Amino acid sequence: SAVISQKPSRDICQRGTSLTIQCQVDSQVTMMFWYRQQPGQSLTLIATANQGSEATYESGFVIDKFPISRPNLTFSTLTVSNMSPEDSSIYLCSALGGGGTEAFFGQGTRLTVV
Amino acid sequence: GNSVTQMEGPVTLSEEAFLTINCTYTATGYPSLFWYVQYPGEGLQLLLKATKADDKGSNKGFEATYRKETTSFHLEKGSVQVSDSAVYFCALSPVGTGTASKLTFGTGTRLQVTL
Repeated sequence: SAVISQKPSRDICQRGTSLTIQCQVDSQVTMMFWYRQQPGQSLTLIATANQGSEATYESGFVIDKFPISRPNLTFSTLTVSNMSPEDSSIYLCSALGGGGTEAFFGQGTRLTVV
Repeated sequence: GNSVTQMEGPVTLSEEAFLTINCTYTATGYPSLFWYVQYPGEGLQLLLKATKADDKGSNKGFEATYRKETTSFHLEKGSVQVSDSAVYFCALSPVGTGTASKLTFGTGTRLQVTL
């Protein structure tokens, strides 16, 4: 199994600012992902974090708003840029393990934008 | 596109009651199917999975069978405990990935078990 640590666990931010969320995996993984869980809703995939190349974004998400880095096989960051109250969500990092057949999740970062 | 539909909660049961949480999906071909559980204050954990039709996933007394004919993956447990109180998410991974990547989740069903 893979253990995923996310920092910060929660934050309250002013609108117009940016927040960078860090995700550290305790072992090398091939694929990492970022999800968003809006209040009372399900998880939505934001993007696939690709090691050594640009992230692959899902429909409705763009790099300017959610820049992602993945400098190596154990670490990734997600930045939420120019935040508005609508960005208040839980952001979760995920990594594939178990030969790719199991997705592990961090505990999430609870973001509140005021 | 792919989608997952779960029964709405909350579901409130007495301890030792039988649990069913319905999940149906829309996808082309044969996606992989998963149930995840989120206990209060914790992250998502994989509960069980099935990767092909008629497979049965099981773990901790929970079971779900991959039914292609009804495009369903209902979660069941014969006797729930208070410690099973959590939010349960049904999810699928697209055909062709062969992995748990790019998951599409249902809206989650909150289960509350009382003494």
